[in-house]
Amino acid sequence: EAGVTQSPTHLIKTRGQQATLRCSPISGHTSVYWYQQALGLGLQFLLWYDEGEERNRGNFPPRFSGRQFPNYSSELNVNALELEDSALYLCASSRGQGPYNEQFFGPGTRLTVL
Amino acid sequence: AQSVSQHNHHVILSEAASLELGCNYSYGGTVNLFWYVQYPGQHLQLLLKYFSGDPLVKGIKGFEAEFIKSKFSFNLRKPSVQWSDTAEYFCAVNAEYSSASKIIFGSGTRLSIRP
Repeated sequence: EAGVTQSPTHLIKTRGQQATLRCSPISGHTSVYWYQQALGLGLQFLLWYDEGEERNRGNFPPRFSGRQFPNYSSELNVNALELEDSALYLCASSRGQGPYNEQFFGPGTRLTVL
Repeated sequence: AQSVSQHNHHVILSEAASLELGCNYSYGGTVNLFWYVQYPGQHLQLLLKYFSGDPLVKGIKGFEAEFIKSKFSFNLRKPSVQWSDTAEYFCAVNAEYSSASKIIFGSGTRLSIRP
């Protein structure tokens, strides 16, 4: 079974630009989650998509947005990049939305904002 | 609101030493508890989880964790660590009946093992 995949591996942008990160969940998983892992801060929940709909978002400004496609893959868009957006962005997927459904994580996209 | 505290930011041990990483949470109701591990250059992966039943949970690679409800703790243990255990460890919690998106992660503990 193929795991969660993310692209690109690394992304370098300058302040004010937009970044697009992509995630493909495990086959059969309908829920996709996005997390920001900044140095020393652990994982901060960003967004959750299930069946094509945004179900929940964390405490992040509206310039963090995304979508889920009919094939359950997902995109995370970050507009008007700021230096503090530099972090590892992790995508996870699960079979369902309940708390007993284990989340499987991808390798992440390292975003660097200069 | 739920929160998770991992008090040890960086732990350094020699091989064969015993390990205990602390995790405390704050939430008044029933919780599901997790430990995740992130080896250098690898994906975050689940080590073990507790939903109900025996409070002593055994995971992969010889790790175990004990849920002590009265102390709001879910400490991770391993009797004898190996150099390959060098990684970052994250404790996580979510309320029993919440969605999976409500999982809250701790800030992580970096474990370095001296060969």
